[in-house]
Amino acid sequence: GENVEQHPSTLSVQEGDSAVIKCTYSDSASNYFPWYKQELGKGPQLIIDIRSNVGEKKDQRIAVTLNKTAKHFSLHITETQPEDSAVYFCAASIRSNYQLIWGAGTKLIIKP
Amino acid sequence: GAVVSQHPSWVICKSGTSVKIECRSLDFQATTMFWYRQFPKQSLMLMATSNEGSKATYEQGVEKDKFLINHASLTLSTLTVTSAHPEDSSFYICSGGGNEKLFFGSGTQLSVL
Repeated sequence: GENVEQHPSTLSVQEGDSAVIKCTYSDSASNYFPWYKQELGKGPQLIIDIRSNVGEKKDQRIAVTLNKTAKHFSLHITETQPEDSAVYFCAASIRSNYQLIWGAGTKLIIKP
Repeated sequence: GAVVSQHPSWVICKSGTSVKIECRSLDFQATTMFWYRQFPKQSLMLMATSNEGSKATYEQGVEKDKFLINHASLTLSTLTVTSAHPEDSSFYICSGGGNEKLFFGSGTQLSVL
């Protein structure tokens, strides 16, 4: 079945620097790749997503890139701020945008 | 994005009692909603898929008689943890699909004493 691997498990960056989180997926039929941000004690919040017919998508300080050949996708956060500190999850889907296979999560720590 | 409202946000109950968690889609209709369980510092674990007007589909290893799911309308799904025990203590999260995207509720922290 589909498997999604996410790295690193923890990422600490200086405020203002960029952060990159990477995910790989196993099933080449995967066609939808969302990223979620989860703060402590809250549900995941969709921050950006990309579909397999697009290579890159950007929304202000957040961008996602997709390499279908290599079967990996990445989240890029530029000019990081303290409020970016959270756990970030990647996911992939084949059959439906609603049935997701999740990565293990990355705890992002922004150092002041 | 679409809004999913989940209540209560936290609940403490005695062992052996039942707890009901509600999940509502506020600005869209969700024919399918999902219930997840999350342990500390871990990823989300899908428990079941809730289909409006029909029986829920449970993931392997999830006891359907213990975790009762009802999806009576297009905007409401409920999860009832029956005869709760301390090992059921966890963070439960619901989600609903809207506009081809999946949106999550704020989660319910269940503590069983």
